[in-house]
Amino acid sequence: DTGVSQDPRHKITKRGQNVTFRCDPISEHNRLYWYRQTLGQGPEFLTYFQNEAQLEKSRLLSDRFSAERPKGSFSTLEIQRTEQGDSAMYLCASSSGQLLYEQYFGPGTRLTVT
Amino acid sequence: RKEVEQDPGPFNVPEGATVAFNCTYSNSASQSFFWYRQDCRKEPKLLMSVYSSGNEDGRFTAQLNRASQYISLLIRDSKLSDSATYLCAVNNRKLIWGLGTSLAVNP
Repeated sequence: DTGVSQDPRHKITKRGQNVTFRCDPISEHNRLYWYRQTLGQGPEFLTYFQNEAQLEKSRLLSDRFSAERPKGSFSTLEIQRTEQGDSAMYLCASSSGQLLYEQYFGPGTRLTVT
Repeated sequence: RKEVEQDPGPFNVPEGATVAFNCTYSNSASQSFFWYRQDCRKEPKLLMSVYSSGNEDGRFTAQLNRASQYISLLIRDSKLSDSATYLCAVNNRKLIWGLGTSLAVNP
């Protein structure tokens, strides 16, 4: 399977714990995006990378959130001191940065904070 | 005003019907436009990229009207399997999304 993959698919954690998610993009894609989606809403942009450089970060993203893409391949999204409001689907997408910048999504990580 | 707006529906149509969704956007500098399909608790899947001249893929037709700042998606001869949420997305270095329009195709 050469699509975008995410791990884990589901995560249940207690409030105050740290969690880390991983995303592996389509191998030839140099752009990688993180989004968050809650029920009944469209995806909400969090941040994106071109290769290893983090080019934009949503101002909605608090200091508890950090993302890395150290070698320009896979990326991690960490949430520190989780809160119940962090419960959502975290989606990763990748793009080749060519043509219309079409983005392809992974299956998402569903986070539940109890 | 939201950057991207869609009628949330739901749209309930019988099999074989033609249904149209519209999506308006506020940033006239937007570069590219997309329709995604999302099934319940799944990720969005790219359905169509929207080209300036409009484009068609089987039963699906997408159009862009830059002057009025909207894109549309037309589904002809709808199938039960078309039941899903349809999201429009506008690219301004990152995708800005509408809330999605829910479609239920009934037998």
